[in-house]
Amino acid sequence: SQKIEQNSEALNIQEGKTATLTCNYTNYSPAYLQWYRQDPGRGPVFLLLIRENEKEKRKERLKVTFDTTLKQSLFHITASQPADSATYLCGRSNTGKLIFGQGTTLQVKP
Amino acid sequence: GAGVSQSPRYKVAKRGQDVALRCDPISGHVSLFWYQQALGQGPEFLTYFQNEAQLDKSGLPSDRFFAERPEGSVSTLKIQRTQQEDSAVYLCASSLVPGPDPYSNQPQHFGDGTRLSIL
Repeated sequence: SQKIEQNSEALNIQEGKTATLTCNYTNYSPAYLQWYRQDPGRGPVFLLLIRENEKEKRKERLKVTFDTTLKQSLFHITASQPADSATYLCGRSNTGKLIFGQGTTLQVKP
Repeated sequence: GAGVSQSPRYKVAKRGQDVALRCDPISGHVSLFWYQQALGQGPEFLTYFQNEAQLDKSGLPSDRFFAERPEGSVSTLKIQRTQQEDSAVYLCASSLVPGPDPYSNQPQHFGDGTRLSIL
């Protein structure tokens, strides 16, 4: 089956450091991956989309990479802030619907 | 409003009752999706509409789950004879129609969900 896997353990980092979250996929090569942020009690909010023929995408302090050889996407938040604390979801879609990983919770400590 | 609106925000029902969850998508968004999210997990796809047509219902867990979007805007997810395992957050999302490029896609805009608890 087509799977998206994210590290289920929470990631704790110090304010100002770079947070790196991992998304691995198996059994297929998605055309693109999407990253979302989800706060407690809220719906996911779209952050970035990267296509398989793109190595890297940036938006302000966010950067996403896509390595089809490793079957992996990395999501970086530079100069992290306590307000970045949330759960981050990776999702793949070839036909519109999204298949998500379980999400990784990031905690940025002041 | 400007975003996706879902109601009710919370719903408590007794096992065996029927429930109906409503989604108001962003105006002009042709695609509408329903997802189910268990605690500590990512959202899982249930069903997809393009306008009023239900193009994919492969994620609906049983025939107790039924979704409709009769006029291509508001959608309702109905669960009949609810069971305890139906307890979850039900998320609705909408997006613009994907373009003709098979690799194109649009981000999805989610509502804040309905938290369903079955006693």
